[in-house]
Amino acid sequence: AQSVAQPEDQVNVAEGNPLTVKCTYSVSGNPYLFWYVQYPNRGLQFLLKYITGDNLVKGSYGFEAEFNKSQTSFHLKKPSALVSDSALYFCAVRDDSGGSYIPTFGRGTSLIVHP
Amino acid sequence: AAGVIQSPRHLIKEKRETATLKCYPIPRHDTVYWYQQGPGQDPQFLISFYEKMQSDKGSIPDRFSAQQFSDYHSELNMSSLELGDSALYFCASSLNPLAGVNEQFFGPGTRLTVL
Repeated sequence: AQSVAQPEDQVNVAEGNPLTVKCTYSVSGNPYLFWYVQYPNRGLQFLLKYITGDNLVKGSYGFEAEFNKSQTSFHLKKPSALVSDSALYFCAVRDDSGGSYIPTFGRGTSLIVHP
Repeated sequence: AAGVIQSPRHLIKEKRETATLKCYPIPRHDTVYWYQQGPGQDPQFLISFYEKMQSDKGSIPDRFSAQQFSDYHSELNMSSLELGDSALYFCASSLNPLAGVNEQFFGPGTRLTVL
């Protein structure tokens, strides 16, 4: 079974400050992890994914995420937030031992970057 | 670059009516997924197709059906619409998930309102 949790409904950060959006997961095998961003009335846009290899994954728009196996986490980070980063962020996980190829999405975290 | 195309973008129906949503995947993508996203909710997986065959089934009501055609476009048919069917319906496409951990590319969505 696979599941993912985003413990924060909303994250507030000042422009120029670093941001972190948290994600934890649970899988039976090894995780494939994804981050997507959704702007209002738009579809989800892929940011980055972790399959294997380096724990630090770099993605689009200056975002990166750190895979931590011991803490079963895959937090999204950015060194310096922009107001335009304000959006809804979804973490997703896929279990490599399951029979399904469908990822499970978290409930989403609303990121608000204040000028 | 070409993106996933969904039509219509907005649809208003009465209870007990039927609706058909269309999805045109990114060229060369052979896998299509349908999701339903209620207000403030994460995307809920409905159904997916690979090479015109149903590959996975999620929480799709029996009143709904879908298919993928020879040109890889997909249609989601919804009958006996209920008020609770009002949501954003996303289509996503990807390369064959059996061939690798391929991220999904989402369309802009169809906003269905049932009155």
